[in-house]
Amino acid sequence: DAGVIQSPRHEVTEMGQEVTLRCKPISGHNSLFWYRQTMMRGLELLIYFNNNVPIDDSGMPEDRFSAKMPNASFSTLKIQPSEPRDSAVYFCASTQSGQPFSGNTIYFGEGSWLTVV
Amino acid sequence: GEDVEQSLFLSVREGDSSVINCTYTDSSSTYLYWYKQEPGAGLQLLTYIFSNMDMKQDQRLTVLLNKKDKHLSLRIADTQTGDSAIYFCAEMNNNAGNMLTFGGGTRLMVKP
Repeated sequence: DAGVIQSPRHEVTEMGQEVTLRCKPISGHNSLFWYRQTMMRGLELLIYFNNNVPIDDSGMPEDRFSAKMPNASFSTLKIQPSEPRDSAVYFCASTQSGQPFSGNTIYFGEGSWLTVV
Repeated sequence: GEDVEQSLFLSVREGDSSVINCTYTDSSSTYLYWYKQEPGAGLQLLTYIFSNMDMKQDQRLTVLLNKKDKHLSLRIADTQTGDSAIYFCAEMNNNAGNMLTFGGGTRLMVKP
């Protein structure tokens, strides 16, 4: 299996521009998570989808952030307009929820390293 | 809400054992995980333990869980320079969805 695939791996953009991060979860997984990692705040859960439906978006920092999951194999996290304080690593992760013990493992992508200047 | 705490830094000599500790507050945690993050890379799942277990061994890794004290540890035997990384403890409460709550990470430095 190819694992969780994220793109772009690195992006540098100017303040005010729109940023779109993409994620392809592991085939067969029905839960998808977006996390943000910064030095100051560590790993924070932004939003969580189950069967393509957003379940908990309480971690989304503000209205500039939005996430979609149009189908089981694709999700996007969009920041519009971007600000320098959005600079972070954004991780996508997936799992097959509802499985017994051995199946509840969450796998992470390699991350999208965003710098807003 | 749930809280997961780890010490920031650990330094050991190559060949020694490393013990990374973690405490958590959610008594309903179902699974507890250890992830490894190397510089510039994503999070790699190392191992996990179900909350009704108190120990799990996987090659050089030993996980100990003290559910009464809400304390989790990861022991790495015969630590190698390639083990230098940040190690994250995480807990999951199945009753709250499949979300992971992470600790702040422990940076392990292995000296030759």
